Amino acid sequence: DSGVTQTPKHLITATGQRVTLRCSPRSGDLSVYWYQQSLDQGLQFLIQYYNGEERAKGNILERFSAQQFPDLHSELNLSSLELGDSALYFCASGPLGGPNTEAFFGQGTRLTVV
Amino acid sequence: GENVEQHPSTLSVQEGDSAVIKCTYSDSASNYFPWYKQELGKRPQLIIDIRSNVGEKKDQRIAVTLNKTAKHFSLHITETQPEDSAVYFCAASTAGGTSYGKLTFGQGTILTVHP
Repeated sequence: DSGVTQTPKHLITATGQRVTLRCSPRSGDLSVYWYQQSLDQGLQFLIQYYNGEERAKGNILERFSAQQFPDLHSELNLSSLELGDSALYFCASGPLGGPNTEAFFGQGTRLTVV
Repeated sequence: GENVEQHPSTLSVQEGDSAVIKCTYSDSASNYFPWYKQELGKRPQLIIDIRSNVGEKKDQRIAVTLNKTAKHFSLHITETQPEDSAVYFCAASTAGGTSYGKLTFGQGTILTVHP
């Protein structure tokens, strides 16, 4: 167990809908990272938050947004869902925002858009 | 931005043999290189990492080497066992700018260890 908790584990929804994925980082970690894993794209970095503030942005679609709350949990919001958004979404957390930071992954949320 | 290339994409070995996975990176500012193991349907798990001030690191049957001049790093698994079968990802962390702490992953290597 990495100490990073993601909910829900599985999510099935229809195209055009909006979903929210939740992540609770390890105790004491200030950084939260979101990654998308699909079969043909590998692990793609979406966005990073550090102590409530957006720190880095990757190839995140405009239909996707995220935030980190004062208690450090984070939510990833996916809207106007398309079939191609079906993927595993991982959250990872780390103690610092720096370059030598170990990132520990949650168990992921498997999103299926039908 | 950073680009990480990983080879081979698949690797099949006999139990007891060694396995080597290689990665190259593009950004000379990268200074943290972790390796993750991912079993089917599960989360990536950090198995070993190396920082730019070190050339080699070993943890039991797993070792990682780093050549900063050539911008490549490798994972070595000795005495492989069937339970080593998984997908292995290398990654690089780019310092500075807005990419602080962000990991860029290689494409992954599917390792199969045959009993």
